[in-house]
Amino acid sequence: AQSVSQHNHHVILSEAASLELGCNYSYGGTVNLFWYVQYPGQHLQLLLKYFSGDPLVKGIKGFEAEFIKSKFSFNLRKPSVQWSDTAEYFCAVNLYSSASKIIFGSGTRLSIRP
Amino acid sequence: DTAVSQTPKYLVTQMGNDKSIKCEQNLGHDTMYWYKQDSKKFLKIMFSYNNKELIINETVPNRFSPKSPDKAHLNLHINSLELGDSAVYFCASSQKTEAFFGQGTRLTVV
Repeated sequence: AQSVSQHNHHVILSEAASLELGCNYSYGGTVNLFWYVQYPGQHLQLLLKYFSGDPLVKGIKGFEAEFIKSKFSFNLRKPSVQWSDTAEYFCAVNLYSSASKIIFGSGTRLSIRP
Repeated sequence: DTAVSQTPKYLVTQMGNDKSIKCEQNLGHDTMYWYKQDSKKFLKIMFSYNNKELIINETVPNRFSPKSPDKAHLNLHINSLELGDSAVYFCASSQKTEAFFGQGTRLTVV
């Protein structure tokens, strides 16, 4: 069955530390990949997306992600986090054979110590 | 101008009641979804509609009945509410790319 795995449930970092959140998916076909952020009490907002081309994609607020097809991975990175990055982060996959199904990982809660 | 709007934002109701949540998108998208987010923040797809046609029903109890009168609207009706239905319900829409989410409806069943 298709699935998205986020192995880090809760990550705690100090301000200015570097961030990497893992995401792996299981699906043999073509996929579109996304990272969403959910700030406390708010809805999901798109951070970045990958459809094709350069596997290193840049998003908003200094975030980037790298698609590694051989590893079925799409890890999210940020060189220096800020307190305002405290939020829940979700990796998501749109299964290309069915453009109507976007499935999400279980989320990673990021807490930043000021 | 809100792209995906859902109402109400909060809903508190007693067990056994029937309630509806409405969703509208003004993005011209063909696809709309309902997701359920539980207390652990896990997001589970419930339904997906494409041009008013049901595409995905992810083994949701038949107490939940989505209705799409046109491709800009996808409403969710829930019969005989149970305690376990308490969650945040998100509506979303997409056009073969990323999904755009509404603000969510926090449903509390008491």
